[in-house]
Amino acid sequence: NAGVTQTPKFQVLKTGQSMTLQCAQDMNHNSMYWYRQDPGMGLRLIYYSASEGTTDKGEVPNGYNVSRLNKREFSLRLESAAPSQTSVYFCASSLYSGRGYTQYFGPGTRLTVL
Amino acid sequence: ILNVEQSPQSLHVQEGDSTNFTCSFPSSNFYALHWYRWETAKSPEALFVMTLNGDEKKKGRISATLNTKEGYSYLYIKGSQPEDSATYLCALWGADNNDMRFGAGTRLTVKP
Repeated sequence: NAGVTQTPKFQVLKTGQSMTLQCAQDMNHNSMYWYRQDPGMGLRLIYYSASEGTTDKGEVPNGYNVSRLNKREFSLRLESAAPSQTSVYFCASSLYSGRGYTQYFGPGTRLTVL
Repeated sequence: ILNVEQSPQSLHVQEGDSTNFTCSFPSSNFYALHWYRWETAKSPEALFVMTLNGDEKKKGRISATLNTKEGYSYLYIKGSQPEDSATYLCALWGADNNDMRFGAGTRLTVKP
């Protein structure tokens, strides 16, 4: 099993450009998440999908959109990238979205917006 | 606002030392606490999930305790090894929110 995979690993964008970060899991998990990691801060939740067909905002959703394409895949889209979105993005999944369920993380995407 | 605080921010110890660090959270807003280990250039990996006051969990040389009444959890590493070098994250599911809030982590460096 590959677990949680993310593409791309690295990306440089210019301000105003758009892009989609892809995430897939092969653990048959129902719930998926997108986080961003900034220096000196904890992982912050952008959006999550408790189950296929549902998405909800997390702590920092502004400037992002998501799509739960199917049970395996959850994408994050930046419509008009801004320098404040320079960060490392992590996708995660869990069996369910309940509070005791462990989240499994992908390797991250390092995004730089110039 | 659900604040999860971790201390210290960083820690340098010698191989063989035992060490511990703290995760603090609002005791009035607790459902579950997760500990993760995050090595540089890798993904965070789950260590423990703790839900009950007084919980103690152990995995090899790493153990954790939980005090929900006073709002803290301790992570202990006995006889630190260089391979224990990583950032240790705690994350809280609050009783009132539907997501997990992470602390900024404690970065541990173990020198041989």
